[in-house]
Amino acid sequence: QVQLQESGPGLVKPSQTLSLSCTVSGGSISSGGYYWSWIRQHPGQGLEWIGYIYYIGSTYYNPSLKSRINISVDTSKNQFSLKLRSVTAADTALYYCARGEAAGPVFDYWGQGSLVTVSS
Amino acid sequence: DIQMTQSPSTLSASVGDRVTITCRASQSINSWLAWYQQKPGKAPKLLIYKASSLESGVPSRFSGSGSGTEFTLIISSLQPDDFATYYCQQYDSYSSFGQGTKVEIK
Repeated sequence: QVQLQESGPGLVKPSQTLSLSCTVSGGSISSGGYYWSWIRQHPGQGLEWIGYIYYIGSTYYNPSLKSRINISVDTSKNQFSLKLRSVTAADTALYYCARGEAAGPVFDYWGQGSLVTVSS
Repeated sequence: DIQMTQSPSTLSASVGDRVTITCRASQSINSWLAWYQQKPGKAPKLLIYKASSLESGVPSRFSGSGSGTEFTLIISSLQPDDFATYYCQQYDSYSSFGQGTKVEIK
């Protein structure tokens, strides 16, 4: 059973960089066939796709966030990570990591979510 | 960017009702559409992919249809466990989600 777990600071100051990691268990990122993804949900609102990465490092980003995002993968740790630069209060959200089947991606396994608040 | 619009935003229904949720895409996405169910405090759960394919383990009362720009999620007989928020997702061009449809108890 694949499991994903987000980790990172719950509080980030405005203008700083939000950094989250997602550890995958029950499956290997480097086995291929999946896009490893970040999705966020503003409080009480809908879902926003942030971006995803393939195990070889190919990345695909939401155009609206592309200038501020970097997603990377560390196959030795079976982890992938999100960095979002120059955050504002509008980046306060619940951040999910998820596995997406490469044929889609449709997101079949999700982490529990990590709430990140941007505040001074 | 492909915009996804769901209707209605909120739906009140009773156990046993047939429920229909619609999702419209701003341009053709062929059949590259998925549906998710989200309950409060939980991550979304994949229900349907490729517009009409049922994810393994999902009850058969859920079904999806459509292609191009208009899609439908049907719950044939609403069960107590189905009160939740439902999202559509296109994956024809990158990815984007609808704004959600909350199914609440009538």
